[in-house]
Amino acid sequence: DIVMTQAPLSVSVTPGESASISCRSSKSLLHSNGITYVYWYLQKPGKSPQLLIYRMSNLASGVPDRFSGSGSETDFTLKISRVEAEDVGIYYCGQLLENPYTFGAGTKLELK
Amino acid sequence: VQLVESGGGLVQPGKSLKLSCSASGFTFSSYGMHWIRQAPGKGLDWVAYISSSSGTVYADAVKGRFTISRDNAKNTLYLQLNSLKSEDTAIYYCARGGLLDYWGQGVMVTVSS
Repeated sequence: DIVMTQAPLSVSVTPGESASISCRSSKSLLHSNGITYVYWYLQKPGKSPQLLIYRMSNLASGVPDRFSGSGSETDFTLKISRVEAEDVGIYYCGQLLENPYTFGAGTKLELK
Repeated sequence: VQLVESGGGLVQPGKSLKLSCSASGFTFSSYGMHWIRQAPGKGLDWVAYISSSSGTVYADAVKGRFTISRDNAKNTLYLQLNSLKSEDTAIYYCARGGLLDYWGQGVMVTVSS
């Protein structure tokens, strides 16, 4: 199974500042079709996960452009610029390249 | 798009339960669907997938015990949970398609004597 490793496990950010979350996969997530199958989800307190970024760098519908995704074949970054109160929650990276789909342990974002 | 799970509850080890996920707002029959679970205070754990043509894939931890199915006429996804174990205790979410772009609100399954 592909292992997804996130860092840090928690981050505390001043509103208006930026935050970055890293994710590393144990295997390349770059498919021969040129698509990198890494995704980012946010689970707000008491809610279901919601899609933020798909295929490494594509913003999901309705997601503010303060969120961005980047990376290589195995190392990925979610960046949140100008953090707001509504961004609080647990961020998960996930690989949807092959079954079983796997997720990182999550990064908890809190406000200072 | 709306996904609404139901059927959860408290069940004894070794018993069975059937979860449902009612879908609306999109052409259900055109999408593969997933079940993903989250144990209390833990991360996301993919459980099973069914394609639009009803091909299925399972996580090793549930293979042979859980069965995913769908009824396109009813726009409903199912998960039959048999031989339940305490480690199956979790919130079970259904989620849509290759992006997991829509998730239900989740349904709690508690396995305990």
